[in-house]
Amino acid sequence: GAGVSQSPSNKVTEKGKDVELRCDPISGHTALYWYRQRLGQGLEFLIYFQGNSAPDKSGLPSDRFSAERTGESVSTLTIQRTQQEDSAVYLCASSLHGPMAANYGYTFGSGTRLTVV
Amino acid sequence: GNSVTQMEGPVTLSEEAFLTINCTYTATGYPSLFWYVQYPGEGLQLLLKATKADDKGSNKGFEATYRKETTSFHLEKGSVQVSDSAVYFCALTPRSNDYKLSFGAGTTVTVRA
Repeated sequence: GAGVSQSPSNKVTEKGKDVELRCDPISGHTALYWYRQRLGQGLEFLIYFQGNSAPDKSGLPSDRFSAERTGESVSTLTIQRTQQEDSAVYLCASSLHGPMAANYGYTFGSGTRLTVV
Repeated sequence: GNSVTQMEGPVTLSEEAFLTINCTYTATGYPSLFWYVQYPGEGLQLLLKATKADDKGSNKGFEATYRKETTSFHLEKGSVQVSDSAVYFCALTPRSNDYKLSFGAGTTVTVRA
């Protein structure tokens, strides 16, 4: 597609439920990233995919968080047993390459706003 | 570790006013520095970048100079417009993992007509 698409744009869930967030990157972009933005804070890196592999998942905050990517395309971020501190905007980005990606520009999606009540 | 500190907002200005948003960083080695902008309802967009000391990034009338001696990358625009209302993020990537961005908290700028 023309841009990075994320769905849903908003999600309200009850504490303890599982949620899945979806990211459709730009076609042909081999690298994909997930970031999290809590209210009043900067974006936190969560995970980096190169193709379908995740060479860096160091930012995932706990084992309740997992992500996968298939077909070198769509990625899903899953949060199990959601907690109130998981409330944030989850942003996905893609780039043509991984290394040097930031210098040549990511393309970010508009994000999924997750609210855990 | 790597970190970015930028001035807190919100910042409210009148059209044609001068805008400065301060940004300082902590990093090992020589990071690349960026300003990203997020307009209402849109995704983050790269505004400008600088990859080495004394480089000046510029775009859409905005400028920022990579100052290694003061570890700063302040964003400036001489005459803002209502359309510049947005959230501005300062960010860096270290040389070793240059796919990974470290962001500041963001500064909300509102320009009034």
